[in-house]
Amino acid sequence: QQQVKQSPQSLIVQKGGISIINCAYENTAFDYFPWYQQFPGKGPALLIAIRPDVSEKKEGRFTISFNKSAKQFSLHIMDSQPGDSATYFCAASAASGGSYIPTFGRGTSLIVHP
Amino acid sequence: ETGVTQTPRHLVMGMTNKKSLKCEQHLGHNAMYWYKQSAKKPLELMFVYNFKEQTENNSVPSRFSPECPNSSHLFLHLHTLQPEDSALYLCASSQPGGSSDTQYFGPGTRLTVL
Repeated sequence: QQQVKQSPQSLIVQKGGISIINCAYENTAFDYFPWYQQFPGKGPALLIAIRPDVSEKKEGRFTISFNKSAKQFSLHIMDSQPGDSATYFCAASAASGGSYIPTFGRGTSLIVHP
Repeated sequence: ETGVTQTPRHLVMGMTNKKSLKCEQHLGHNAMYWYKQSAKKPLELMFVYNFKEQTENNSVPSRFSPECPNSSHLFLHLHTLQPEDSALYLCASSQPGGSSDTQYFGPGTRLTVL
């Protein structure tokens, strides 16, 4: 099965610090890389996404860095806040029958201490 | 109601019971999905329905039976489950055919099989 490997499994940072979550993929057909954020008791929600034609995408405090040759991408959360405490999933997908069905990483549990 | 709703939110059942999970999306999407979320594991895609037709069945045991009567409703019928089926079952919807498919998730049904 196609895999997306995500690390670390858990991450603890202090308020104001930088949180970094890394993902690696194998299938070069993947061409859409979303990150989802999940709070307890809620389903995952799209946070930010990138395509391989750019190396970086920034939305507010959240940045995706993408390295196509290494088949790696990462999420950086600048000035991390306690409200960012959640589980983060990277994903990768390719068009299949008109749909992009994502393959998810295992998730990273982020805790931001005040 | 907005977004994707799921009922019930919590379900406890014995291995001989028969129960159903319900999902409804209010987003006008044409694709609906069932995922299984277990601790420390990636989100597992179970079934995909595109315009009410099942397009994916990821080797899911027959004790899970999906039903999609229309593009807004999705059911997962459960019978003769095993304790290892205990997990969070997430429903999602998306609008296929674009350059990316953002998955919109419901809050999930927490299933416990005794």
